[in-house]
Amino acid sequence: GAVVSQHPSRVICKSGTSVKIECRSLDFQATTMFWYRQFPKQSLMLMATSNEGSKATYEQGVEKDKFLINHASLTLSTLTVTSAHPEDSSFYICSARVLRDTEAFFGQGTRLTVV
Amino acid sequence: AQKVTQAQTEISVVEKEDVTLDCVYETRDTTYYLFWYKQPPSGELVFLIRRNSFDEQNEISGRYSWNFQKSTSSFNFTITASQVVDSAVYFCALSEVLATDKLIFGTGTRLQVFP
Repeated sequence: GAVVSQHPSRVICKSGTSVKIECRSLDFQATTMFWYRQFPKQSLMLMATSNEGSKATYEQGVEKDKFLINHASLTLSTLTVTSAHPEDSSFYICSARVLRDTEAFFGQGTRLTVV
Repeated sequence: AQKVTQAQTEISVVEKEDVTLDCVYETRDTTYYLFWYKQPPSGELVFLIRRNSFDEQNEISGRYSWNFQKSTSSFNFTITASQVVDSAVYFCALSEVLATDKLIFGTGTRLQVFP
């Protein structure tokens, strides 16, 4: 399958700082990328959908100003957690797909710990 | 509303046993996709299968097989002759093609295979 690379895999930051997570499609151009959040031993919850060159569509309850998503190119989307707090500690995972009606491939995930 | 239910939270088996992971879904759409993903301890999501709502044929891939029954809205996953490497969390997911194509995940089933 296609390769989606997510970086960093782990990050620890201080409360109040911002953290940027990158999601790259390595061998294909992703028209759409998805960002999910997973709490320990729980399911994945979609945070937002981003299409290249346009604003992201956020799910209900997800703060747009806190979780900034940028999809500037067909191979890169970034998620910035602004003014992070301990409750933002979680596993963030992105997925990317080429076209509708094709499966999305997932990155390795980023474990964020805010101290 | 769309919903995916994986009633089995954890399953433990001994190597070489067969194990079936249940998945029941709810959707109002007639066109949709169903997925299974594997999440090993490392965290990444590994795509296992995608099945569209018009294809009810069962599928077999090596030790893995899937039983899709629209009449009971179920998409069960069976691992034959389980191995220790099969230990992971398995997620069933639903995507409504005519909507935003986001994946709605079940809560996952943690499978532990003991030697």
